[in-house]
Amino acid sequence: DSGVTQTPKHLITATGQRVTLRCSPRSGDLSVYWYQQSLDQGLQFLIQYYNGEERAKGNILERFSAQQFPDLHSELNLSSLELGDSALYFCASSVYLGTAPGGNEQFFGPGTRLTVL
Amino acid sequence: GENVEQHPSTLSVQEGDSAVIKCTYSDSASNYFPWYKQELGKRPQLIIDIRSNVGEKKDQRIAVTLNKTAKHFSLHITETQPEDSAVYFCSNNFNKFYFGSGTKLNVKP
Repeated sequence: DSGVTQTPKHLITATGQRVTLRCSPRSGDLSVYWYQQSLDQGLQFLIQYYNGEERAKGNILERFSAQQFPDLHSELNLSSLELGDSALYFCASSVYLGTAPGGNEQFFGPGTRLTVL
Repeated sequence: GENVEQHPSTLSVQEGDSAVIKCTYSDSASNYFPWYKQELGKRPQLIIDIRSNVGEKKDQRIAVTLNKTAKHFSLHITETQPEDSAVYFCSNNFNKFYFGSGTKLNVKP
């Protein structure tokens, strides 16, 4: 158990709908990262937050948005869902910014499996 | 990811043999290079990492080497075991984390 929690574990919805994925980082971790992993694909970095502020953006679609709250949990909002959005969405957390000298380890949550029908 | 390339995409070895996975990156400012192991349906887990001021790091049967001049780093697994079978991802950090496309390692008993 990494200490990172994600809810829900599974989500099935229809095209055009909107969903919210939730992530609670490890106690003490200030950075939260979101990744998308499609079937048999690698990990695509979506976005990073540090202590409530957006720090880095990856290949995140305009239909997707995220935020990190004062209690450091984060939510990823996916709207106008398409079939191709079906994937495993991982959240990860780390203590420091990814750009801190020497970098730092990310701990991944168990993921949320999203199925868009 | 566009910043890091990983090879091979699949690797099949006999139990007891060694396995080597290679990654190249483009951003010379990258300073942290972790490797993750992901078993089917599970989360990626860090197995070893190396920082830019070190050329090699070893942890039991796993080692990672880094060549900053050539911008490549490699994962070496010796005396492979069936439980090493998984997908391995390399990663590097420059402002954001980039991941390789993954190597599916199959260790045949």
